[in-house]
Amino acid sequence: GAGVSQTPSNKVTEKGKYVELRCDPISGHTALYWYRQSLGQGPEFLIYFQGTGAADDSGLPNDRFFAVRPEGSVSTLKIQRTERGDSAVYLCASSLTGGSDTQYFGPGTRLTVL
Amino acid sequence: TQLLEQSPQFLSIQEGENLTVYCNSSSVFSSLQWYRQEPGEGPVLLVTVVTGGEVKKLKRLTFQFGDARKDSSLHITAAQPGDTGLYLCAGLRSSNTGKLIFGQGTTLQVKP
Repeated sequence: GAGVSQTPSNKVTEKGKYVELRCDPISGHTALYWYRQSLGQGPEFLIYFQGTGAADDSGLPNDRFFAVRPEGSVSTLKIQRTERGDSAVYLCASSLTGGSDTQYFGPGTRLTVL
Repeated sequence: TQLLEQSPQFLSIQEGENLTVYCNSSSVFSSLQWYRQEPGEGPVLLVTVVTGGEVKKLKRLTFQFGDARKDSSLHITAAQPGDTGLYLCAGLRSSNTGKLIFGQGTTLQVKP
C-alpha cells in the first residue's frame, strides 16, 4: 500500500504568516508522530498522536505550534506567526499501534520562512 | 542538550574501505535504532537492537548495542558508493510512546 505522504513538499512563507502542514499516514496506523529536522541535525520529536488524541506534546517548542488529528487519520501541524528559526524540514511518521512498532517516515515538508 | 552523541559527523572515504560510526549516551535506552536518510526523503529503518551486547548483521553492515544499553556502533565493511547517505541513530527511552531521540547524524560519502 501507499506510504506516508506529506503536503506540500515545499512551503515558502514570510515571517509572521500562518502555515499548515499536512500528513497522511499509512492506512490503519493508529500512531502518528511529527518531528522537525534542522539543517545538519537529526530529527527532533514534536508530538505523538494515538488515535485522535495527542498523547505526548512535550516536543512542541512554544504555543505557536499546534497539531490536530480530528478523525484519527490525517494530521495537520499548524504554525502561527512564523519566525525565521522555524525554517526546517517537518517530518511525519506513523506506526501500527505506537510504542516500539516500526515508524515509517514521510518525505517531509521543507518550510522556509523569509 | 544532545542525549545521543554521534560521531563522526562527516566521513569521506574511498570505495572498499571500512568504517565505524559511533552513537553514545549517558542515558539507558530500551532499544536503539539505525536509520539511513537520502536527500529529500524521510529516514528509513535499517535495524533495531534491543538486548545489551546484541550484534546484528545486514549484509556488509554490522550493528552492535553496548552491554549497558547506552551506546551503539555501525560498522560497514568494504564500503560501496551506494552506501553514501546520512546515517542516524535513534534511541527509544520508553516503549510506551515510541518517542525517538535522534543523534545528529553521520554524513557518509563513498568515492568510487
